[in-house]
Amino acid sequence: EPEVTQTPSHQVTQMGQEVILRCVPISNHLYFYWYRQILGQKVEFLVSFYNNEISEKSEIFDDQFSVERPDGSNFTLKIRSTKLEDSAMYFCASSLYRAQEPQHFGDGTRLSIL
Amino acid sequence: AQKVTQAQTEISVVEKEDVTLDCVYETRDTTYYLFWYKQPPSGELVFLIRRNSFDEQNEISGRYSWNFQKSTSSFNFTITASQVVDSAVYFCALSGAGGGNKLTFGTGTQLKVEL
Repeated sequence: EPEVTQTPSHQVTQMGQEVILRCVPISNHLYFYWYRQILGQKVEFLVSFYNNEISEKSEIFDDQFSVERPDGSNFTLKIRSTKLEDSAMYFCASSLYRAQEPQHFGDGTRLSIL
Repeated sequence: AQKVTQAQTEISVVEKEDVTLDCVYETRDTTYYLFWYKQPPSGELVFLIRRNSFDEQNEISGRYSWNFQKSTSSFNFTITASQVVDSAVYFCALSGAGGGNKLTFGTGTQLKVEL
């Protein structure tokens, strides 16, 4: 069964550094998402992406965040200047169509900011 | 604004017991979609089920069943004859028909199934 893959599984970064989290969505999916989950808390929406542009973003997704689909397969989340509070599990997801289709999640990237 | 409430933070049962996880939602959308995801200790999010707002038919899949009641804005999940492998955090989530179709998650219910 096709799946969403995320790399790396764990990223440790110094505060203030830039970090790029990578995702390969399911190949025929059209919608892409990033979510984050601070340890022990609920999963929070960051951004959705369709047709090479952001469809919706949350209040969390401020100017330090950006997303890109640099080629036909990868979908990246960049955090420009990381803060301690950015430490979380970041999940990428993709879906074939809009809301009626389930979003399939990758295994996540655990980001630790020191 | 959309909201999902999972009032049960943690539930502990003994193997083979039935257990129901509650989910109550709020939305102004007339068309919306409800989901359950499982997060085992390994951390990934596994899709379990989707339900459309216009389809109130309950669903059964093996030991899993879901009860959708629009009148009470609830979408409860029952595991019959629970097993240790069911131990996980279960999230209920809601998506509207418009916008970027983001998922709004509840806070999750930690289910512990013991021998």
